[in-house]
Amino acid sequence: DVKVTQSSRYLVKRTGEKVFLECVQDMDHENMFWYRQDPGLGLRLIYFSYDVKMKEKGDIPEGYSVSREKKERFSLILESASTNQTSMYLCASSFRRGGQPQHFGDGTRLSIL
Amino acid sequence: AQRVTQPEKLLSVFKGAPVELKCNYSYSGSPELFWYVQYSRQRLQLLLRHISRESIKGFTADLNKGETSFHLKKPFAQEEDSAMYYCALSLGRSGYSTLTFGKGTMLLVSP
Repeated sequence: DVKVTQSSRYLVKRTGEKVFLECVQDMDHENMFWYRQDPGLGLRLIYFSYDVKMKEKGDIPEGYSVSREKKERFSLILESASTNQTSMYLCASSFRRGGQPQHFGDGTRLSIL
Repeated sequence: AQRVTQPEKLLSVFKGAPVELKCNYSYSGSPELFWYVQYSRQRLQLLLRHISRESIKGFTADLNKGETSFHLKKPFAQEEDSAMYYCALSLGRSGYSTLTFGKGTMLLVSP
């Protein structure tokens, strides 16, 4: 069974802090994704990566960056956290071949005070 | 432009009633569509994909290209079906596949 693990379920940070959200998958998936999930807005893609050290912007990349140094790990970075980045963050992974389903982690509930 | 539309934020039915969660999409190519479900305090998980043409937990979804729809149906709702449901469209982006999600429909099944 695919396992996507996000390092924290809940995180509280202060405005202006640099925040790291970590995600690890154990299925040798090429693709990894970061979304934020907000009530009434659904899931919105922040960044994705299709290979080590490769990254592509999603629909809402502003204020975020990512890092993929190893195939199994994909990090989301908030360079200078702001209150409007308070949200649920979901990591997902999938095989590269088109049309493959994505497998999701439990999510990180991030609050920026 | 919104690619996936789920017109209902909330759908409330009684146990045993039929359920239809609506999903319309906008895509010029050959679409690949999915339904994902998130039960309370659980992770988002795949419910079904159109290419499989299968029934999962009594749910089915048929792709209607003429109406650009992929509605999710179940003839008799159960209380355990209460959850948030997302319709998703697989898109080619920079040569790779990503998912575009609708805003979701919360299904509440009352006893």
